Amino acid sequence: KQEVTQIPAALSVPEGENLVLNCSFTDSAIYNLQWFRQDPGKGLTSLLLIQSSQREQTSGRLNASLDKSSGRSTLYIAASQPGDSATYLCAVAGNTPLVFGKGTRLSVIA
Amino acid sequence: NAGVTQTPKFRILKIGQSMTLQCTQDMNHNYMYWYRQDPGMGLKLIYYSVGAGITDKGEVPNGYNVSRSTTEDFPLRLELAAPSQTSVYFCASSRDFSETQYFGPGTRLLVL
Repeated sequence: KQEVTQIPAALSVPEGENLVLNCSFTDSAIYNLQWFRQDPGKGLTSLLLIQSSQREQTSGRLNASLDKSSGRSTLYIAASQPGDSATYLCAVAGNTPLVFGKGTRLSVIA
Repeated sequence: NAGVTQTPKFRILKIGQSMTLQCTQDMNHNYMYWYRQDPGMGLKLIYYSVGAGITDKGEVPNGYNVSRSTTEDFPLRLELAAPSQTSVYFCASSRDFSETQYFGPGTRLLVL
């Protein structure tokens, strides 16, 4: 059974810092890995999707990497801003639809 | 495009009551999903559908039923509501299994 773990559970950084969020998964037989953002009381917004054949994806200040063999992904956020404050969820798709981690709650302090 | 819409936004149910959570997407996606999210937890898959007339169980299907008579709609039925079903329910859709999922705003359900 696929299990997804996200570390840390919460993170607080000053504005302008670069930061890395971590995601690990136990079964490397995946189709893709997705990173989502969730604001309090809201639904999920897709940030990046990495296919199993890819090593990374970039969108603006966000860069996600995937190392399928080691079961790890990172989400790099450059020059963080207060508007980046949210919960970031990692999810993997394999033989079943998406399996989610519990998320990392990010606070960017102005 | 409205994307994925869900109704109601919030509902309080008494133990033993039944209700249907509505989900509609206007992107002509084949795949649709229902998740629940408990506080401090990730999302858990309840049911999913790969097209009209085809549904399958996810990780936590007990106490729920679904149907998919059209491409656009994927309602979730709660029979005999229990306090353990207090949660936030999200519906999502995607064009294909390997593509991005688009989420609705969620339905917050409280069972007392």
